[in-house]
Amino acid sequence: GQQVMQIPQYQHVQEGEDFTTYCNSSTTLSNIQWYKQRPGGHPVFLIQLVKSGEVKKQKRLTFQFGEAKKNSSLHITATQTTDVGTYFCAGRYSGGYQKVTFGTGTKLQVIP
Amino acid sequence: DGGITQSPKYLFRKEGQNVTLSCEQNLNHDAMYWYRQDPGQGLRLIYYSQIVNDFQKGDIAEGYSVSREKKESFPLTVTSAQKNPTAFYLCASSRSGTEDYTFGSGTRLTVV
Repeated sequence: GQQVMQIPQYQHVQEGEDFTTYCNSSTTLSNIQWYKQRPGGHPVFLIQLVKSGEVKKQKRLTFQFGEAKKNSSLHITATQTTDVGTYFCAGRYSGGYQKVTFGTGTKLQVIP
Repeated sequence: DGGITQSPKYLFRKEGQNVTLSCEQNLNHDAMYWYRQDPGQGLRLIYYSQIVNDFQKGDIAEGYSVSREKKESFPLTVTSAQKNPTAFYLCASSRSGTEDYTFGSGTRLTVV
């Protein structure tokens, strides 16, 4: 089946350091979404990317969709302890009936 | 406030028993979804429904059943046929044609 690979699986950073997580698909995506799940919580929608090469920013978070629409990244500048959680990407494949495939997630731990 | 309510938050089940997890939304969303989350495996789709009285199997539907008799409600039954039901179950909803899901707070099911 269609898979969205996400790396790394875990990341520990010192507070103030940057963090990046990557999503890769073997086939072209129609769009991609990013979610954040705090420890013990549920996923919360962050953003959607639709266009090839699209870049969107939310304060310290920068989201990018690859030119071929097969990969995406989330970059956090100067991490804070409030950034702790698991970040998931979720891609919709062309022709898919409004269901998306979630990546395995990257668990971020920020050391104060 | 609009949102999705899942109940109960924690559920313990004896082997061989069926249990039903509740999911109710007041967001007027047409589409609803059930996901299962296991450590290190991200979110896997169990069932989804685009409209009342219609639903489709997801990637791991075996051992589960759903109904969609009302727009607001999408209960999930975990049957005794599900071989490894212990997991965190998440319900989500979205407006028709969109992929920005709103998730409930989840039900943690444990088989004892």
